[in-house]
Amino acid sequence: RKEVEQDPGPFNVPEGATVAFNCTYSNSASQSFFWYRQDCRKEPKLLMSVYSSGNEDGRFTAQLNRASQYISLLIRDSKLSDSATYLCVVNRGNTDKLIFGTGTRLQVFP
Amino acid sequence: DADVTQTPRNRITKTGKRIMLECSQTKGHDRMYWYRQDPGLGLRLIYYSFDVKDINKGEISDGYSVSRQAQAKFSLSLESAIPNQTALYFCATSDREGTNEKLFFGSGTQLSVL
Repeated sequence: RKEVEQDPGPFNVPEGATVAFNCTYSNSASQSFFWYRQDCRKEPKLLMSVYSSGNEDGRFTAQLNRASQYISLLIRDSKLSDSATYLCVVNRGNTDKLIFGTGTRLQVFP
Repeated sequence: DADVTQTPRNRITKTGKRIMLECSQTKGHDRMYWYRQDPGLGLRLIYYSFDVKDINKGEISDGYSVSRQAQAKFSLSLESAIPNQTALYFCATSDREGTNEKLFFGSGTQLSVL
């Protein structure tokens, strides 16, 4: 089993739609969780950290489910500019080494 | 100006050549990293450094070496490039707050080894 797994997609959604991605992680001792956004052939950029109680930043909501070992990202009112690959990042167990998922590709169409 | 700058942006080289990728940062971070990204694979850590005197191997360090010349500079070398080192390479710095480590990436170097 991979340490961090994501559905590669693509998720094709119309503008204005709500879309959600999940990411599962294998190590129950992991403590740090993040979502990064990566545009094609560009560098990843931090979108948001994921906190235990869940957190929201504008149209983006991140949730953590420790019991089932997954994190989620919800995007409301999708914009064309949200088209990108979303990378799930989790620390490895009790270490501070970060493990990257392979990413979920989102395509928002007019 | 970019906070994390990588040079060159693109490089094509031949098998057996020595290649150096350079990274500099103005963020004042102590921690610096080199990653590679291949299609269908997540970013994989090659080497990392927590300060000028500290160098650590990542998960795929074979065939690579690094030098931390100063707090702001971290270079990656391929002593004898081979085709399976063709990849997109990213340098990153990090800002650590408690257990949260946020990475800031350079624009990447696309390396092709023929």
